[in-house]
Amino acid sequence: DAGVIQSPRHEVTEMGQEVTLRCKPISGHDYLFWYRQTMMRGLELLIYFNNNVPIDDSGMPEDRFSAKMPNASFSTLKIQPSEPRDSAVYFCASSRLAGVDTQYFGPGTRLTVL
Amino acid sequence: KQEVTQIPAALSVPEGENLVLNCSFTDSAIYNLQWFRQDPGKGLTSLLLIQSSQREQTSGRLNASLDKSSGRSTLYIAASQPGDSATYLCAVSGSNDYKLSFGAGTTVTVRA
Repeated sequence: DAGVIQSPRHEVTEMGQEVTLRCKPISGHDYLFWYRQTMMRGLELLIYFNNNVPIDDSGMPEDRFSAKMPNASFSTLKIQPSEPRDSAVYFCASSRLAGVDTQYFGPGTRLTVL
Repeated sequence: KQEVTQIPAALSVPEGENLVLNCSFTDSAIYNLQWFRQDPGKGLTSLLLIQSSQREQTSGRLNASLDKSSGRSTLYIAASQPGDSATYLCAVSGSNDYKLSFGAGTTVTVRA
């Protein structure tokens, strides 16, 4: 398996623009997680899905952030409008069984909002 | 809210020395604890996962212990090598929701 795939790897955009980050989980994994990593706050869970259904989005910082999982092999994290404080590395991870199985992380998307 | 602390924040050792990385957490009601490795500019790689009912896990030169009652875990890396240089993160999974709470990490440098 190719592992968790994320695109783009790097994104530079201007404040106010819409940003869409994409993730393809490992085939057969029922759980998908979106994380954000910054120097100030470390690694934070934003939202996670089970069988394509959002289970907990309490980590989503504001209404500007939204996430979808239309099918088992694809998820998006959208920021609209983007702000400079959204600059961070965004990771997607997947696992077979949450709590029992480890989470497998993608390489991340480095987002810079100017 | 679960708080995870890792001490020290950074560590530099000569090659061949054993490494000891510490992790503490405030809420002992955890489902499991995991240790991850992160290389610069890369994602996280799982090293060891310890279920709450276990006391330790071993993989090669790595050994992780868990004392749930005191809220502590220790990662031991034997006979360190320059390739062990990375940031090591500890994460605990809540007993009710399986969400991972991460520590800030310990950045390790192994000098050749």
